[in-house]
Amino acid sequence: DGGITQSPKYLFRKEGQNVTLSCEQNLNHDAMYWYRQDPGQGLRLIYYSQIVNDFQKGDIAEGYSVSREKKESFPLTVTSAQKNPTAFYLCASSIRGGGSTDTQYFGPGTRLTVL
Amino acid sequence: AQSVTQLGSHVSVSEGALVLLRCNYSSSVPPYLFWYVQYPNQGLQLLLKYTTGATLVKGINGFEAEFKKSETSFHLTKPSAHMSDAAEYFCAVSEGENNDMRFGAGTRLTVKP
Repeated sequence: DGGITQSPKYLFRKEGQNVTLSCEQNLNHDAMYWYRQDPGQGLRLIYYSQIVNDFQKGDIAEGYSVSREKKESFPLTVTSAQKNPTAFYLCASSIRGGGSTDTQYFGPGTRLTVL
Repeated sequence: AQSVTQLGSHVSVSEGALVLLRCNYSSSVPPYLFWYVQYPNQGLQLLLKYTTGATLVKGINGFEAEFKKSETSFHLTKPSAHMSDAAEYFCAVSEGENNDMRFGAGTRLTVKP
């Protein structure tokens, strides 16, 4: 059953702690993306990766970091430098990184709450 | 850079009524346009997309959208709403080689019995 998985579904973090969100895909897609969703603001791009061992900042990369050591995995770390991390985080993938017609397929999301 | 405006953050219709969700875009090049649906606490699911060719695009669950270049619009419609259509809908535009997709703020659709 192909798709994108994100874990955990809900995550609670204390202020000052780093936390890593998992994203795995078995679609054999080259490109992967991380978005942040806040009420009334739609989705905003945090980071994206077109190929393994390469990634670029999106619009709101400050306070976040990523790695892309394997094609199927694109973990996102929310660092203590992120001032307002409470949000719903969505991971997506597409067949290619360069190609505007490619559909992005989304995972089920992780809801992060900072206590 | 491209951008998307969705008119109306909330739309409420009666079951069986026409659904119309509005989306206007700006783009410096011919755009590629998408509509996604999101159910509570879930990811986004593609409803339909326009790339080239026929300007009326049919998607899943009876939805369709028409690309109107002169109006820079890509409104989503469904002739008869069903209770299961209640969700949040996002319009998105993509351009450029990096598949840089920009999303609208979303429209929450409520369907009344």
